Amino acid sequence: KNQVEQSPQSLIILEGKNCTLQCNYTVSPFSNLRWYKQDTGRGPVSLTIMTFSENTKSNGRYTATLDADTKQSSLHITASQLSDSASYICVVSAGDYKLSFGAGTTVTVRA
Amino acid sequence: DAGITQSPRHKVTETGTPVTLRCHQTENHRYMYWYRQDPGHGLRLIHYSYGVKDTDKGEVSDGYSVSRSKTEDFLLTLESATSSQTSVYFCAISVQPGDEQFFGPGTRLTVL
Repeated sequence: KNQVEQSPQSLIILEGKNCTLQCNYTVSPFSNLRWYKQDTGRGPVSLTIMTFSENTKSNGRYTATLDADTKQSSLHITASQLSDSASYICVVSAGDYKLSFGAGTTVTVRA
Repeated sequence: DAGITQSPRHKVTETGTPVTLRCHQTENHRYMYWYRQDPGHGLRLIHYSYGVKDTDKGEVSDGYSVSRSKTEDFLLTLESATSSQTSVYFCAISVQPGDEQFFGPGTRLTVL
């Protein structure tokens, strides 16, 4: 069964600090992995996409890494801001319509 | 939200009543999806559509039906709502399967 596990479930960080979120998956075959950001009360929005051959992808202060051999990905947030408070969801695609979603990591940034 | 609207945004209903949620897109994307999101779970696919009048079941389709009579509209119907269907429902669209899915703002449904 295709699964996506995220850790931690939640975390609290001080504004300006960095944090790293983890994603482990067992999806096969593998097409791509996306990190989505979901603000409270809104739909998820894609931050990054990584394919099999990509190791690192950045989007501003967000940097995603992918190790396709160990089936692990991470999302690093640099110099966090209050607006980074959200749920971050790891989503793995097998290349068809069906996506495998992690349960998300809730990040709270405090001033 | 990428030209996707959902209506209503909030609804409270009673067990046993029918409920229809609407998703409307202005992007002319072929694929449309309905998901539910519950605490502790990832988004779970209910039904999806790959064209007008072309729909198929997702992983949690029991108790739900869908219809797509126009490219821009995708309806989700709960024939007889149950408390286990209390959830936040998201509609999503994509150009092709496997492409990025763009999500609507969600509908919070409470079944009492």
